[in-house]
Amino acid sequence: AAGVIQSPRHLIKEKRETATLKCYPIPRHDTVYWYQQGPGQDPQFLISFYEKMQSDKGSIPDRFSAQQFSDYHSELNMSSLELGDSALYFCASSFRGVKDYGYTFGSGTRLTVV
Amino acid sequence: AQTVTQSQPEMSVQEAETVTLSCTYDTSESNYYLFWYKQPPSRQMILVIRQEAYKQQNATENRFSVNFQKAAKSFSLKISDSQLGDTAMYFCAFMKHGSNYQLIWGAGTKLIIKP
Repeated sequence: AAGVIQSPRHLIKEKRETATLKCYPIPRHDTVYWYQQGPGQDPQFLISFYEKMQSDKGSIPDRFSAQQFSDYHSELNMSSLELGDSALYFCASSFRGVKDYGYTFGSGTRLTVV
Repeated sequence: AQTVTQSQPEMSVQEAETVTLSCTYDTSESNYYLFWYKQPPSRQMILVIRQEAYKQQNATENRFSVNFQKAAKSFSLKISDSQLGDTAMYFCAFMKHGSNYQLIWGAGTKLIIKP
């Protein structure tokens, strides 16, 4: 079965650079979520999109932005990167039309800022 | 606001033993969902089991079962016949019904299965 695809798997950037993380949800899923997980921490919700519109916003820095495109894939854009942005970034997807709570996560993108 | 508490930072058991991970939560909601996620060293986040608050019957998935005590706001995970592959971080998570489906996470319990 198709899963949530995230790219790239690993990314190394220098401070003040920009990074773009991509997420391809499970086919027919209409909702995408982004989470950030720092070393030894639980995931922190960043932002979510439902039917290409932002549906909820969490602890996402102003330096970050995200969108969901017409094909439902989503991109997280991160600018002016800081050392503290080093983390595992998860994307998850779900289909709200079916009460299948407990959405599916991708394998994550490990971002290292040096 | 909802909170999720996992009071055991780390646990270690022998292979084939049974282990119970604890989770408590705080909410004023009556309709919600609870989850256990497993995160092995590969860092993949894997759904282990889910429980709908309006269902009194405890969820079971093969060797994994929960003890859901709604009045006590407790949601513990029992792993029977533990296997080496069960070694992972285990996160308890809460989702409010009708919300934007955001998960609220506990801090996690590191479970080590020893051979």
